[in-house]
Amino acid sequence: SQQGEEDPQALSIQEGENATMNCSYKTSINNLQWYRQNSGRGLVHLILIRSNEREKHSGRLRVTLDTSKKSSSLLITASRAADTASYFCATEGYNMEYGNKLVFGAGTILRVKS
Amino acid sequence: DGGITQSPKYLFRKEGQNVTLSCEQNLNHDAMYWYRQDPGQGLRLIYYSQIVNDFQKGDIAEGYSVSREKKESFPLTVTSAQKNPTAFYLCASSIMRDTDTQYFGPGTRLTVL
Repeated sequence: SQQGEEDPQALSIQEGENATMNCSYKTSINNLQWYRQNSGRGLVHLILIRSNEREKHSGRLRVTLDTSKKSSSLLITASRAADTASYFCATEGYNMEYGNKLVFGAGTILRVKS
Repeated sequence: DGGITQSPKYLFRKEGQNVTLSCEQNLNHDAMYWYRQDPGQGLRLIYYSQIVNDFQKGDIAEGYSVSREKKESFPLTVTSAQKNPTAFYLCASSIMRDTDTQYFGPGTRLTVL
């Protein structure tokens, strides 16, 4: 399966601390994306990293990609209570049946305590 | 939620009923998608459409049907053949089928009574 798997399943930290979430996948990919979902809401795209990139930044977010290990990490620095949400990685790769397809992992639930 | 609207926000269905979930986008995107999300799980693809009047089954299409008569609209019907329809349904769109970012609607929570 191409599906990404996030680790940990849940993470609880204090405001101001950094949060690191990891994603592993099994097949070759074109890109890997991270999304955030607030409780009961739709997903919001955070950042996309292509297979030929190793690191990308967006504000307080830092994403790394190691294609040799088939893994990615999302780092949120100086966390805030508003960062409390579920975070999903999604891998885009070629599927024989569907062509290019975005496949989501089960997510990491982040709780930032104030 | 990126110019995509879903209605209703909450929907209750009696067993044996068909219900239709609405999804509309004003982003001028060609591709649209329907996902199902169960508690503690990621998203599973139900159907997708790359262009008007064309749609393809995803991983869990059984018991669902869609139409794409207009570029802006991609309604999902949950039929009585779907044995366990209680879930959170998310609609998304992207510029093209094999392009990067997907933009999501706010979701519809369907509960079977």
